Amino acid sequence: EIVMTQSPATVSVSPGERATLSCRASQGVFSNLVWYQQKPGQAPRLLISDVSTRATGIPPRFSGSGSGTEFTLTISSLQSEDFAVYYCQQYTQWPLTFGGGTKVEIK
Amino acid sequence: EVQLLESGGGLVQPGGSLRLSCAVSGFTFSIYHVSWVRQAPGKGLEWVSAISGSGDNTYYADSVRGRFTISRDNSKNTLYLQMSSLRAEDTAIYYCAKRSRANGGCFDYWGQGTLVTVSS
Repeated sequence: EIVMTQSPATVSVSPGERATLSCRASQGVFSNLVWYQQKPGQAPRLLISDVSTRATGIPPRFSGSGSGTEFTLTISSLQSEDFAVYYCQQYTQWPLTFGGGTKVEIK
Repeated sequence: EVQLLESGGGLVQPGGSLRLSCAVSGFTFSIYHVSWVRQAPGKGLEWVSAISGSGDNTYYADSVRGRFTISRDNSKNTLYLQMSSLRAEDTAIYYCAKRSRANGGCFDYWGQGTLVTVSS
């Protein structure tokens, strides 16, 4: 099983500042890495797939990068609606596995 | 518009059974892998099970293998999860989710979830 580890667990950021979230895989996942956003009481929402491809309607302040086992989600200038929990997930092999999530909270 | 709508959740006693359904619309259901993903209260996301478009191939997390059965009825555009021998640790919101590609990819659409509570 590929273990996905996200860090930090919580990050406090002021509106307008940059947030950098990390995701590490226990073995290489090629480009099969996705980021989701989840707000309280809502289902997860696709943000970025295949490491760096933004989903339809996702603003350019969200960007993904990385390769192999190390990946990063960057939110360049946090807006109020971006405060949420972010999950990474690999879809290279079964079982599909998620990271534990990073909560982005208002500083 | 792609839509997934789960139903069938509720309160069940430990050791009991429950069947979840997920009715889908807005895409050619029979082509895509679909999955169940769950989220325990206050916890992260856990993939539970998946099924191929034809239904010929199924996949399970170790935590549910032998207790849960995934199936689909392509004529009804509906996904199912039969859950038996339920445990307290199965308490969660269960989401159905569509894969972005016919034979894989990420989850591009999710339902709103149905809550399963296992308690005496």
